[in-house]
Amino acid sequence: EDQVTQSPEALRLQEGESSSLNCSYTVSGLRGLFWYRQDPGKGPEFLFTLYSAGEEKEKERLKATLTKKESFLHITAPKPEDSATYLCAVQAYSGGGADGLTFGKGTHLIIQP
Amino acid sequence: KAGVTQTPRYLIKTRGQQVTLSCSPISGHRSVSWYQQTPGQGLQFLFEYFSETQRNKGNFPGRFSGRQFSNSRSEMNVSTLELGDSALYLCASSQEARTEQYFGPGTRLTVT
Repeated sequence: EDQVTQSPEALRLQEGESSSLNCSYTVSGLRGLFWYRQDPGKGPEFLFTLYSAGEEKEKERLKATLTKKESFLHITAPKPEDSATYLCAVQAYSGGGADGLTFGKGTHLIIQP
Repeated sequence: KAGVTQTPRYLIKTRGQQVTLSCSPISGHRSVSWYQQTPGQGLQFLFEYFSETQRNKGNFPGRFSGRQFSNSRSEMNVSTLELGDSALYLCASSQEARTEQYFGPGTRLTVT
């Protein structure tokens, strides 16, 4: 069974204070690892897809990295508008096409001005 | 390009009733997946449809069903509602051969 564990559950940072969110996973055969951002009352917003160990992707103040067992979302000099819940998900290979995403419980990030 | 749309956005139903939720994917996207989000369990996969066929199904009882139409629009149905079915139901679409899924705003279902 595929599993995703995110840590910490919640994180409070000062504006400009860089940090990293962790996503540990076990999956039978990784098709992709995904990072999403979710604001209260909204659907998840796609951020990144990572496919293989060593891969990195960046978008503004966010950088995602992947190893064979975990992924990190690095947030550099965050701003209050980066406050949200960050979700990690994995997708396994399936003979029938795309498996559903298996999500972690998320990290609730608060950036204080 | 318009995003994934879901209707209705909010719904209140009584135990034992049934409900149908609708999802219109991004134009050109043929795969539609449904998820249930609750505070306790987080986001859980319900099922995925592609070209009007269910390709994958999560671990939910048979009360949860879905279908997809020829224009890729999808509906999910929950019969004999239980209090525990109260949740945010999210629909996501993706392009063929692409892995990233794009989510709609969700339908907030409350069962009383």
